[in-house]
Amino acid sequence: NAGVTQTPKFQVLKTGQSMTLQCAQDMNHEYMSWYRQDPGMGLRLIHYSVGAGITDQGEVPNGYNVSRSTTEDFPLRLLSAAPSQTSVYFCASSGQLGGETQYFGPGTRLLVL
Amino acid sequence: SQQGEEDPQALSIQEGENATMNCSYKTSINNLQWYRQNSGRGLVHLILIRSNEREKHSGRLRVTLDTSKKSSSLLITASRAADTASYFCATDGSEKLVFGKGTKLTVNP
Repeated sequence: NAGVTQTPKFQVLKTGQSMTLQCAQDMNHEYMSWYRQDPGMGLRLIHYSVGAGITDQGEVPNGYNVSRSTTEDFPLRLLSAAPSQTSVYFCASSGQLGGETQYFGPGTRLLVL
Repeated sequence: SQQGEEDPQALSIQEGENATMNCSYKTSINNLQWYRQNSGRGLVHLILIRSNEREKHSGRLRVTLDTSKKSSSLLITASRAADTASYFCATDGSEKLVFGKGTKLTVNP
């Protein structure tokens, strides 16, 4: 199993550009989530999904969209990138609700100029 | 808002010593988890302790949970240089995990 994979590993954007961060898992997990990690801030939940077709907002959802058309994939879309979205983004999945053990991807480092 | 808060923020010890990190939280939980993050990498799950458990062991790791004080501790015994990483506690009160800001552990050879 590849586990949780994320692409790209690193991305530079200009303010106002849009992009999609990809996340995929091959463990047939129902629960998937996106976090951002900033220095000294720990991980903050952006959006999460409890199954295909179901998504919900986390702590810091503004400026981000998600969709969940399949169990395997959970892309995160930045509609109009801002410097405040410079961060490291992690995708995670778990077999049950988010309170159980989560498996993390390697992260995407995003720099918005 | 963060649920768990780790203490200390940073810890530097010598190889072979024990490392203790603490986590305090605010509301009722179903379980508390500890994760490790090596520099530049994703988080790796270490151990999960449920609200009806008081202590749990996994190899050189010992986790305690005191629900009356809303606190947990992670003890790493006989530390190694490879234990150098950031350690996060995560709590769940509903269907989401909420992470603390982490303790950065440095184990000097």
